[in-house]
Amino acid sequence: AQSVAQPEDQVNVAEGNPLTVKCTYSVSGNPYLFWYVQYPNRGLQFLLKYITGDNLVKGSYGFEAEFNKSQTSFHLKKPSALVSDSALYFCAVRALMFSGGYNKLIFGAGTRLAVHP
Amino acid sequence: DAGITQSPRYKITETGRQVTLMCHQTWSHSYMFWYRQDLGHGLRLIYYSAAADITDKGEVPDGYVVSRSKTENFPLTLESATRSQTSVYFCASNAGGGGTQETQYFGPGTRLLVL
Repeated sequence: AQSVAQPEDQVNVAEGNPLTVKCTYSVSGNPYLFWYVQYPNRGLQFLLKYITGDNLVKGSYGFEAEFNKSQTSFHLKKPSALVSDSALYFCAVRALMFSGGYNKLIFGAGTRLAVHP
Repeated sequence: DAGITQSPRYKITETGRQVTLMCHQTWSHSYMFWYRQDLGHGLRLIYYSAAADITDKGEVPDGYVVSRSKTENFPLTLESATRSQTSVYFCASNAGGGGTQETQYFGPGTRLLVL
């Protein structure tokens, strides 16, 4: 079955320290991988994606993610966390629809990032 | 550029009433999607549409109806609302066609409470 796992419900980090939010996936074919961020009472905002090419992908707000095919992982990272990074983060993988070949996104359950001053 | 908008942003209704949530996008994206977000379940796909007049079920379609007569609009109707449909609903769209066009862009959400 195609799926995405975010093993941590919450990640706590001190401001200025590096942060990592973990994501692993299981999908047929070449994975298209995405990270989204959700601030309170807001919609999901696109952060970055991996489609092909360089395994290290850079995105918005200083975030980056590393695609690791052998470990089927796509962890989100940032060298120096800010309090304003505190939010809910979702990993997603593209999967082919069961009918018609239309693509859909499968989302992880989300990881709440709390950055403390 | 308004992007993708949803209305209403908040809605309170009663069990058994019909409710329609609106979604409008200004990008002329081919694909549109409806998700619901619930604690413990993350985001679940309700319905999607590949183009005007083409719709299909997602993971949790029961109790919902969609239509897409125009490319830019994708309304979601709860025919007879139930308390289990209390949730936050998100509309999304993408251009389709593979590669970078697979990125979905989300609206701000509609918070629905069914009493």
